[in-house]
Amino acid sequence: DAGVIQSPRHEVTEMGQEVTLRCKPISGHDYLFWYRQTMMRGLELLIYFNNNVPIDDSGMPEDRFSAKMPNASFSTLKIQPSEPRDSAVYFCASSPRRSGYANTGELFFGEGSRLTVL
Amino acid sequence: AQSVTQLDSHVSVSEGTPVLLRCNYSSSYSPSLFWYVQHPNKGLQLLLKYTSAATLVKGINGFEAEFKKSETSFHLTKPSAHMSDAAEYFCVVSDATGRRALTFGSGTRLQVQP
Repeated sequence: DAGVIQSPRHEVTEMGQEVTLRCKPISGHDYLFWYRQTMMRGLELLIYFNNNVPIDDSGMPEDRFSAKMPNASFSTLKIQPSEPRDSAVYFCASSPRRSGYANTGELFFGEGSRLTVL
Repeated sequence: AQSVTQLDSHVSVSEGTPVLLRCNYSSSYSPSLFWYVQHPNKGLQLLLKYTSAATLVKGINGFEAEFKKSETSFHLTKPSAHMSDAAEYFCVVSDATGRRALTFGSGTRLQVQP
């Protein structure tokens, strides 16, 4: 299995530009999560999906952030317009569903997308 | 509500000596508990998990953790540190139903000295 695939691995952009981060989860996984990691705030959950439906987006910082999951094999996280404080590593993770549990807690992480907004 | 506290932000040990990374949790439900490891410039990887079976849980690379309900703790240990263990470790809590999102601790950076 190829694991969770994220692109781009590195992105440098200027303030005000639109940024789109992409994620391909592991095939057969029902859950997809977007996390942000910074030195100051640690690992923060932004949003997660179950069967392509957003379940909890309370961690999305502002309206500048949006996430979609048009099908089971693809998700995007978009920032428009980007700001320097958005600089972070953004992780996508997916999780299988086990009978009797909505989410086993076993997350499989991608290697992250490092975003730098100048 | 659920929360997790990692008591040390940084731990330094010598190669070959024991490792202890401390974690305390709070949960209104019967929790599931996990340890994840993150090597530099990599994503997080599951090290081990506790889901109400045996209280002593063994994970990969020789790590283990013991669930102690009376102390609300889930400390991570390893008898003998290896240089390759140098990484950041995260303690994670989830309620048993899994309906709540995972709550990650702030992380403990483990440094292994030669």
